[in-house]
Amino acid sequence: QVQLVQSGAEVKKPGASVKVSCKASGYTFTGYYMHWVRQAPGQGLEWMGRINPNSGGTNYAQKFQGRVTMTRDTSISTAYMELSRLRSDDTAVYYCARDSAGIVVVTAWGQGTLVTVSS
Amino acid sequence: EIVMTQSPATLSVSPGERATLSCRASQSVSSNLAWYQQKPGQAPRLLIYGASTRATGIPARFSGSGSGTEFTLTISSLQSEDFAVYYCQQYNNWPPVTFGGGTKVEIK
Repeated sequence: QVQLVQSGAEVKKPGASVKVSCKASGYTFTGYYMHWVRQAPGQGLEWMGRINPNSGGTNYAQKFQGRVTMTRDTSISTAYMELSRLRSDDTAVYYCARDSAGIVVVTAWGQGTLVTVSS
Repeated sequence: EIVMTQSPATLSVSPGERATLSCRASQSVSSNLAWYQQKPGQAPRLLIYGASTRATGIPARFSGSGSGTEFTLTISSLQSEDFAVYYCQQYNNWPPVTFGGGTKVEIK
């Protein structure tokens, strides 16, 4: 079965960077786009961007352009999301999310990684 | 950017009753609309895509309708496990993919 296993919780200071990993199993990693979605405490869902694990090509939400970098390592079926210049309002649960081939809906989610930004 | 607006913010329903949730897009998204369910401490789960197609394993009591800018998710007879937050998401004009603010379905 499809599984996405994310790295553990992080605590960072303002201005630092964080890199979250997402290891995929149960399907062909290069066959489906991987998205990153975040959720601030008590808030809704916010799409950050996506990566094509086959080509490495990315699409980012304009809000995060210049601060987010999505990469992948196909040899270990793992996607990464790095967010730099962290602020307190970046405190959130970050999810990796695999879409359905051909349409941009999420059919599998990681368990989420809590990133806390605090001085 | 397409803005998705969900109403109501909170819906109080008794078990066994029908729940109707609304989602409005700031411009037409055709039928490129999905619904997700999220329970506390869990990741969301896909319920509906293409405005009305149930995802794999989703019970028939969940149904979606609408096109253009107005969409509805109906839960025909609420079960205890259906009390959760529901989000709509458009994927017609992106990036960015955008979500609504959510509707919390709570026990009356």
